[in-house]
Amino acid sequence: EDQVTQSPEALRLQEGESSSLNCSYTVSGLRGLFWYRQDPGKGPEFLFTLYSAGEEKEKERLKATLTKKESFLHITAPKPEDSATYLCAVRLTTSGTYKYIFGTGTRLKVLA
Amino acid sequence: DTAVSQTPKYLVTQMGNDKSIKCEQNLGHDTMYWYKQDSKKFLKIMFSYNNKELIINETVPNRFSPKSPDKAHLNLHINSLELGDSAVYFCASSQVGKRGYTFGSGTRLTVV
Repeated sequence: EDQVTQSPEALRLQEGESSSLNCSYTVSGLRGLFWYRQDPGKGPEFLFTLYSAGEEKEKERLKATLTKKESFLHITAPKPEDSATYLCAVRLTTSGTYKYIFGTGTRLKVLA
Repeated sequence: DTAVSQTPKYLVTQMGNDKSIKCEQNLGHDTMYWYKQDSKKFLKIMFSYNNKELIINETVPNRFSPKSPDKAHLNLHINSLELGDSAVYFCASSQVGKRGYTFGSGTRLTVV
């Protein structure tokens, strides 16, 4: 069964304390892995798409990496405004169409 | 201008009622989606429409019926609402081959 698991469920960091969030997947027919940020009361906001193992994408303090089994979202020197829930999703091909599966997210809290 | 807008933002209604949620996107995307986010923040796809044609219909009760009058609109109608339907419903859109989804801000449905 296709599955996406994110860890940890919740993470508290001090401002400036770097860390990584994990998204592991067991799927067939992967056609992209996506990272989103979701703030309370809002819809998820697109961050990155990764397509192949070894690929990396960066945006400000965030860097996403991809292997054949998992993706990491590295947060370098986080600030309180980075506090949010981070979601990963995989896109699969099934019966000639795309299918998306989301993980349950990591709730990040950065303390000043 | 809001890229994906959905109304209403909040909806409180009694069991057994019929209600609709509207969604419009002004991005020119060719695919629109409805997602349900439960209390544990898990996002699960319900429907996907590509150019007004239904292409994904996950296992949801047939009390839920999507309607797409044109490429820019995807509405969700729910009959005979039940307590378990309480959740946040997100509309999203995407363009084939482009970056990830653009989500609306969500509709929090509470059935009492």
